Amino acid sequence: DTGVSQDPRHKITKRGQNVTFRCDPISEHNRLYWYRQTLGQGPEFLTYFQNEAQLEKSRLLSDRFSAERPKGSFSTLEIQRTEQGDSAMYLCASSTGGDTQYFGPGTRLTVL
Amino acid sequence: QKEVEQDPGPLSVPEGAIVSLNCTYSNSAFQYFMWYRQYSRKGPELLMYTYSSGNKEDGRFTAQVDKSSKYISLFIRDSQPSDSATYLCAMSASSNTGKLIFGQGTTLQVKP
Repeated sequence: DTGVSQDPRHKITKRGQNVTFRCDPISEHNRLYWYRQTLGQGPEFLTYFQNEAQLEKSRLLSDRFSAERPKGSFSTLEIQRTEQGDSAMYLCASSTGGDTQYFGPGTRLTVL
Repeated sequence: QKEVEQDPGPLSVPEGAIVSLNCTYSNSAFQYFMWYRQYSRKGPELLMYTYSSGNKEDGRFTAQVDKSSKYISLFIRDSQPSDSATYLCAMSASSNTGKLIFGQGTTLQVKP
């Protein structure tokens, strides 16, 4: 399968714990995006990378959130001191530029 | 007011019907318009991509963009039960930006 992959697919954690998600984009896609989707809503943009550079961050990305793409390939999204309001589907997408973004299956986070 | 408005439905139609899904938007800078299909607990799948105004057809799907009215549509002909999903419109202002703005999504059910 050469699509976008995300790991883990599901994560259940207790409030206050840290969690980290991984995204592997489509090979040779230089852009990588993170979105968050809550139940009944469309995805909301969080941040994006072109190669290893983080070019834009949403105001939704509070200080507790950090994203990295150290070698311009896979990316990680870390949430520190999780809150119940962080419960959502975290989606990763990749593209070669332009706006044709291809999404992964998502990581569903539940904060108890 | 959201930048992109989409009726969440649900929309229920009989198999074989023509389905019309719509979004309105407020930002006149949007130039790139997309429709994604999302099955339950899965990532969004790109269906149609359109630049500026006009129509685009792909099999049973037709996308229309009317920039003067800030209105986009997706038509599905000969709808099938397998088309039952949530349909998300998305748009962006520039191919150089990473951020897609999504509608809330419309849930479609096609009954056999």
